[in-house]
Amino acid sequence: QVQLQQSGPGLVKPSQTLSLTCAISGDSVSGDSPAWNWIRQSPSRGLEWLGRTYYRSKWYNDYAVSVESRITINPDTSKNQFSLQLNSVTPEDTAVYYCARAIRSLPGGILDVFDIWGQGTLVTVFS
Amino acid sequence: EIVLTQSPGTLSLSPGERATLSCRASQSVSSSYLAWYQQKPGQAPRLLIYRASSRATGIPDRFSGSGSGTDFTLTIRRLEPEDFAVYYCQQYGNSRYTFGQGTKLEIK
Repeated sequence: QVQLQQSGPGLVKPSQTLSLTCAISGDSVSGDSPAWNWIRQSPSRGLEWLGRTYYRSKWYNDYAVSVESRITINPDTSKNQFSLQLNSVTPEDTAVYYCARAIRSLPGGILDVFDIWGQGTLVTVFS
Repeated sequence: EIVLTQSPGTLSLSPGERATLSCRASQSVSSSYLAWYQQKPGQAPRLLIYRASSRATGIPDRFSGSGSGTDFTLTIRRLEPEDFAVYYCQQYGNSRYTFGQGTKLEIK
């Protein structure tokens, strides 16, 4: 079955870059069906979608307006994984970060649901 | 951006009772692309319902979803002890996803 395994540091200093990786097993990061997402969760902001990457003859990215100036999501086809980089972090970026697969609930439809999630990584921004 | 508002914030019920959770959208949700997730402490959210009323693989039939447009409902009939958790609704539109703030279902 499809599994997502997250890795990365749990502590980041203010103004630095948060970096996380999500390794995929049982599916392909360059598959032409799903999209690969990062979502975070904090008491103040709840569940917040951050962005996604997906391959449809070429690579595409979409980012949430709230972080689009600071975020990069990159696929790594050689390792079948994707990564999150969030620049210039502040304590407001403290959250549990999840990677997740989005799929179409209807053939030919939109990528509307998250069916597989990583285990979550608590990232604390603290000096 | 479509804002999803869930009610109530907390619902206190006993095992065996029926739970009704609400999710209201600030604009109509396209083609009923509304999903529900269950989250237990220390775990990632788990997909329960997609397209407003279809159960995900392995989800017991005591979970059901309904609604369209801006008003959606998750119903859990005959609550089991393992159903006490936080529930979130989620929608997709304009290449963006949003979640509701959650309803905590607690044991009375």
